[in-house]
Amino acid sequence: DQQVKQNSPSLSVQEGRISILNCDYTNSMFDYFLWYKKYPAEGPTFLISISSIKDKNEDGRFTVFLNKSAKHLSLHIVPSQPGDSAVYFCAASGGFGNEKLTFGTGTRLTIIP
Amino acid sequence: DSGVTQTPKHLITATGQRVTLRCSPRSGDLSVYWYQQSLDQGLQFLIQYYNGEERAKGNILERFSAQQFPDLHSELNLSSLELGDSALYFCASSAGTDYGYTFGSGTRLTVV
Repeated sequence: DQQVKQNSPSLSVQEGRISILNCDYTNSMFDYFLWYKKYPAEGPTFLISISSIKDKNEDGRFTVFLNKSAKHLSLHIVPSQPGDSAVYFCAASGGFGNEKLTFGTGTRLTIIP
Repeated sequence: DSGVTQTPKHLITATGQRVTLRCSPRSGDLSVYWYQQSLDQGLQFLIQYYNGEERAKGNILERFSAQQFPDLHSELNLSSLELGDSALYFCASSAGTDYGYTFGSGTRLTVV
C-alpha cells in the first residue's frame, strides 16, 4: 500500500527552465509534507517542507505547493541548475507525536546544460 | 558531513549470517530512525527510538531488531540474512519534536 506516490521515475529539464516534481498521497491524516534531495552515495538531505494549513511555501529557488482537496503536492525549482540533478523524495508525516515519515519512491531529476 | 555517522559504509556477508549496523546521531538529537531502501524503492520506515525507548515501529521483520543506548547511539541487528535483505540502510536523527530529519550516508548491505 503505497501511501505516497511519485509517478514519474525520471525527469529531464533544460538548465534555466522550471522543474516541476509531483507527488500524490492517499492518507488524509498526513498533515506535514517534506521534500528531500539525494545525491549518489549520500543520505537524503532536507530541502523544503509545508504544513497542511498552508498551500504554498517558498525558499529561494524552491517552492512547494499543496492541494489538500486533490491530495497532491508539487515542488517547483526555478531556475533549474546543473547542481539540482539528483533524486528527489516526497515524504509525509502524521503530525506531532507521529514523527515517522512515509516516503515516495523518488524522481530522478536531470538538468541538461 | 551531516553529523549523523553510520558504520560500516559497506558490508558484504553470506546468507544466514548476522550483522550489526551502527548509528551515532547528531549531537543533541534524541530520536533515531532506521530506514531501508531497496533497489528502485522509496525509503521504508523500520523503527524509531526516542531517548532510549522504542517510539514507533514500521514494517520491520522479526529477524531484525534495534536498540538505542544511553549515549544515544543506536544499533540495528539483522539476523538469518536472506538475499532480499540486500539494501541501503539509513539512519536519521532529529530533536524529536520537529520533522527535520538529518540522515547519515547509509550502510550498503550486500547478502551473497
